[in-house]
Amino acid sequence: DGGITQSPKYLFRKEGQNVTLSCEQNLNHDAMYWYRQDPGQGLRLIYYSQIVNDFQKGDIAEGYSVSREKKESFPLTVTSAQKNPTAFYLCASSRDANSNQPQHFGDGTRLSIL
Amino acid sequence: ELKVEQNPLFLSMQEGKNYTIYCNYSTTSDRLYWYRQDPGKSLESLFVLLSNGAVKQEGRLMASLDTKARLSTLHITAAVHDLSATYFCAAGSYNTDKLIFGTGTRLQVFP
Repeated sequence: DGGITQSPKYLFRKEGQNVTLSCEQNLNHDAMYWYRQDPGQGLRLIYYSQIVNDFQKGDIAEGYSVSREKKESFPLTVTSAQKNPTAFYLCASSRDANSNQPQHFGDGTRLSIL
Repeated sequence: ELKVEQNPLFLSMQEGKNYTIYCNYSTTSDRLYWYRQDPGKSLESLFVLLSNGAVKQEGRLMASLDTKARLSTLHITAAVHDLSATYFCAAGSYNTDKLIFGTGTRLQVFP
């Protein structure tokens, strides 16, 4: 079945450590997105990518980095510069950035600090 | 800058009752989405609203859009326990690729 796979489901980070969250989609979508969700709050956009080898900062990009070397993959690295990384991270994709089709979401990765 | 506000933030309602969730957005938007999220789970797309006066219905849920008032509503008819979840609206930032999400409405339906 087509969909978005995020891994791992749970992740723990030590102080000063970088961690990478995986996001893979087999929907043949051009656009991919990373969101952060804090308890009781909505989603905030971290980074998005409209096409391979291109990405843009969202509203809260500081302390995060991404790459888009393949159409189906959009990994997110939470760097040690992100001082409050504990949150639920959601990856999404859409057919293309200008489409009115809804974004499809993965099952999320819950990141905690050790 | 586009901002999206939902109310109420929390809604506890009895089975069989009707209620409406409101989603206001601050500037021009060309698309409005409603999503459902179960606890600890991902978001599921419910409705896409693209034009003024658009109305869409699925089961006990009906969504509408008034672009002049910058308002979308999600109406729940004869609520059942299975509708308990958090509902988010998201507005498309005009001429950009970004969606701006509301803070969500946590709905709890009790017998």
